[in-house]
Amino acid sequence: SYVLTQPPSVSVAPGQTVRITCGGNNIGSKSVHWYQQRPGQAPVVVVYDDSGRPSGIPERFSGSNSGNTATLTISRVEAGDEADYYCQVWDSSSGHPDWVFGGGTKLTVL
Amino acid sequence: QVQLQESGPGLVKPSETLSLTCSVSAYSISSGYYWGWIRQPPGKGLEWIGNIFHRGATFYNPTLKSRVTISLHTSKNQFSLRLTSVTAADTAIYYCARSPSTAFDYWGQGTLVTVSS
Repeated sequence: SYVLTQPPSVSVAPGQTVRITCGGNNIGSKSVHWYQQRPGQAPVVVVYDDSGRPSGIPERFSGSNSGNTATLTISRVEAGDEADYYCQVWDSSSGHPDWVFGGGTKLTVL
Repeated sequence: QVQLQESGPGLVKPSETLSLTCSVSAYSISSGYYWGWIRQPPGKGLEWIGNIFHRGATFYNPTLKSRVTISLHTSKNQFSLRLTSVTAADTAIYYCARSPSTAFDYWGQGTLVTVSS
């Protein structure tokens, strides 16, 4: 089955830019979605289809995808961005549809 | 605004069957999209359990496929999850969610299910 690899944790100072990566075999050929999960809450999609941004999500959140790595970029980081972030793709390479999540990255705002 | 709400027992005994229902409001589940279940063990990441298409086709995580059944109940605008032969490893927060295609755009608040005797 398809595997998505994320760093377990990243940290950043307020006001700076942070990039969270999601690695997968030829992930650039897939649509990648990113979710933010604050403690005790359900996940919320912050980027869909590599770089789309749902209504209500700040422009500070952006995404890119190429080769074997997709990236979620958060600019001008705020304390409220501290959360777990998950990447997700749809994959059918095994012959059946799978919705696959990465292991998640904990973002700490210093 | 589409809303989803999980319901069901919070405690299930080992070897028994976990059953949850997801009630959907502001959208008819028979109109379209996939409807899915995702779980999250305490302190761990998200795991996709399975999806059901609005016309009834089901897709399951291969690691759980032998124990999972997802069904539609269109008259009540609900869909359900059954997971058989549960163990402590099935203790998790269970979320239901809507998937228009490949992403999940609306999620329930989640419900904690503990497997313990």
